[in-house]
Amino acid sequence: DVQMTQSPSSLSASVGDRVTIVCRASRSISWYLNWYQQKPGKAPKLLIYATSNLQSGVPSRFSGSRSGTDFTLTISSLQPEDFATYYCHQSYSTPYTFGQGTKLEI
Amino acid sequence: EVQLVESGGGLVQPGRSLRLSCAASGFTFNDSAMHWVRQAPGKGLEWVSGISWNSGTIGYADSVKGRFTISRDNAKNSLYLQMNSLRPEDTALYYCAKDVYASGSGNWFDPWGQGTLVTVSS
Repeated sequence: DVQMTQSPSSLSASVGDRVTIVCRASRSISWYLNWYQQKPGKAPKLLIYATSNLQSGVPSRFSGSRSGTDFTLTISSLQPEDFATYYCHQSYSTPYTFGQGTKLEI
Repeated sequence: EVQLVESGGGLVQPGRSLRLSCAASGFTFNDSAMHWVRQAPGKGLEWVSGISWNSGTIGYADSVKGRFTISRDNAKNSLYLQMNSLRPEDTALYYCAKDVYASGSGNWFDPWGQGTLVTVSS
């Protein structure tokens, strides 16, 4: 199984900050890495698919990139509505696996 | 608008069975693979099972293999999860999620339903 190690597990930041969340795959997963945002009491919402493609309607302050088996989600300038938990998800092979999540707090 | 509505959750004793359903609307159901993803209280996301558009390809997490069975009825635009021999560690919110593709990997899930809660306890 592909293990996804996501860091940090929590992050405190302020409105306007630039933040980075990293997910490392245990082996090559090509570009098959997605990012979801989850707010309390809500279902996860797709933000970025296939490493760097922004889902329709997602603000351009969100971006994704890859270096080998390391994948990065960057929020360029935090907005109040961005405080949530973020998960990476590999879809290279089943069983599909998620990172442990990063809780982004004010 | 794509909608996924899960049902069938509840409180069940260990060792018993439960069947979850997911009613889909707003898209051509048999054009999409579908998945179940669960989230234990206060924990992260765990992929449980997935099924291709024609039920030809099915996969399970090791944690549920042999106990859970995924199925779909394209005529009824519905996805199911039959859960047998339930354990306390199966307690979670179970989400139904639409795959962007009909089958295969390199995919992503969008959207997700609101979930149905399964509690396994005596």
